[in-house]
Amino acid sequence: QLQLQESGPGLVKASETLSLTCTVSGGSITRGNFYWGWIRQPPGKGLEWIGSVYYTGSTDYNPSLKSRVTISVDTSRSQFSLRLSSVTATDTSIYYCARHIVPGYYFDYWGQGTLVTVSS
Amino acid sequence: QSVVTQPPSVSGAPGQRVTISCTGSRSNIGAGYDVHWYQHLPGTAPKLLIYANTIRPSGVSDRFSGSKSGTSASLAITGLRADDEADYYCQSYDHSLGGSGVFGGGTRLTVL
Repeated sequence: QLQLQESGPGLVKASETLSLTCTVSGGSITRGNFYWGWIRQPPGKGLEWIGSVYYTGSTDYNPSLKSRVTISVDTSRSQFSLRLSSVTATDTSIYYCARHIVPGYYFDYWGQGTLVTVSS
Repeated sequence: QSVVTQPPSVSGAPGQRVTISCTGSRSNIGAGYDVHWYQHLPGTAPKLLIYANTIRPSGVSDRFSGSKSGTSASLAITGLRADDEADYYCQSYDHSLGGSGVFGGGTRLTVL
């Protein structure tokens, strides 16, 4: 059974860079038509897709966040990572990693999520 | 404000049938992009319920079904149970403004 687990600091200072890693187990990060994505949920609000990466390093980002987002992959460690720069309080969210099925454009396996709070 | 909209809440009694709507536009659902549905209990990982408009992943109860027509889609839940109480999200793709996966704002289902 494929499992994804987010890790990283739970507290980030405003104007700094948020960094999270997702570790994939129970399956290969390099197999098939799978991208690997990040989605977030601000407190009391809905889900927002941030971006996704293919095992080759090819990326697809939400245009509204593209200027601040970098997603990378490390196939040797079965991990992919998110960097979000110049964070503000509005970036406080639960961050989820997920397997992103392309074509079709949906997310079939998700991590449990990790809360990141941006402090002033 | 999401480009695909859902009612904030729906409710139903145990055993009843409820539907959750997902309304989009010609740049997303109406452009032919698939709609997918997720069930989310706070503090847990979202669960894929329906993909490609109507398909249930293995292990998902047949009490859940999806449909799509024009610029809208719907999720139907029959035989409502207490453990169906959760947030439900639709998701599609929007090709405007550079293209992006988009989620609806979510619908809270309350089982009375």
